[in-house]
Amino acid sequence: QVQLQESGPGLVKPSQTLSLTCTVSGGSINTGTYYWNWIRQPAGKGLEWIGRIYTSGSTSYNPSLKSRVTMSLDTSKNQFSLNLSSVTAADTAVYYCGGGEAGFGGNWFDPWGQGTLVTVSS
Amino acid sequence: DIQMTQSPYTLSASVGDRVTITCRASQSISSSLAWYQQKPGNAPKLLIYKASTLESGVPSRFSGSGSGTEFTLTITSLQPDDFATYYCQQYESYYTFGQGTKLEIK
Repeated sequence: QVQLQESGPGLVKPSQTLSLTCTVSGGSINTGTYYWNWIRQPAGKGLEWIGRIYTSGSTSYNPSLKSRVTMSLDTSKNQFSLNLSSVTAADTAVYYCGGGEAGFGGNWFDPWGQGTLVTVSS
Repeated sequence: DIQMTQSPYTLSASVGDRVTITCRASQSISSSLAWYQQKPGNAPKLLIYKASTLESGVPSRFSGSGSGTEFTLTITSLQPDDFATYYCQQYESYYTFGQGTKLEIK
C-alpha cells in the first residue's frame, strides 16, 4: 500500500521559493501506476490543486500558479518535489502530496500525505 | 476554468438522519466528479468517483448521483463518524474543488 509523506521548511520568507518534497513508500515512484500531485489548503479554506508530474517527467500545472510552479522527480530517492517561487502570505497553507491512479487518468486523489504547514512570513 | 459551488455551506443534523449535499459545476462536466470527506487535522479521504462509484471500503450509506452540472452526495442514517467537512472535485478540465460543506451535529 502506497504511503506519502511531505517534508520541507515550515517557514519561508516573502519573495523566496517554497520547496517541498514528498517521499513515497510501499511502492516505486517509477512504475507509472500513479500521477503525483501537490494540493494545498489555506487555514479554514478549501482545497486548491497545484500540479502533477508523471513517471515520464511530464507535468501539468494549475494555470493560476503555472508561472511560479516547478515539479520534479527523484527516482533514486523515490521522491517528488514542488518548488513555488516568489511566495507571498497568500501562499501560506497546508500542502499535501497525493497520488492519482494513472489507469483512471489520475483524476481523483488517493492516497494523500498527512500534509505539512508552510507559513510565509518575514 | 470550471467553478464548483457546494450547498449548503453548513449543515446541522442528528445521528440517524439522512442528509444531502449538492455540488454544482459552472459548466457541464459529464460524470467527472469525486467526493471527499475531511476531518480536522487530517487529509481528505476519497469517498466517491465518477459521480456515483463508491471507493472500496467506504460504507454503503454514502452514495453519489448526478451528471452534467448538478451532483449530490447523500448519507443515509448518519453515524457519529460522519460529522466532517465534505468536498466535491471536478476533473473534466484540470482539477477544482468546491468550497466545502461542514456537517455538524445538531
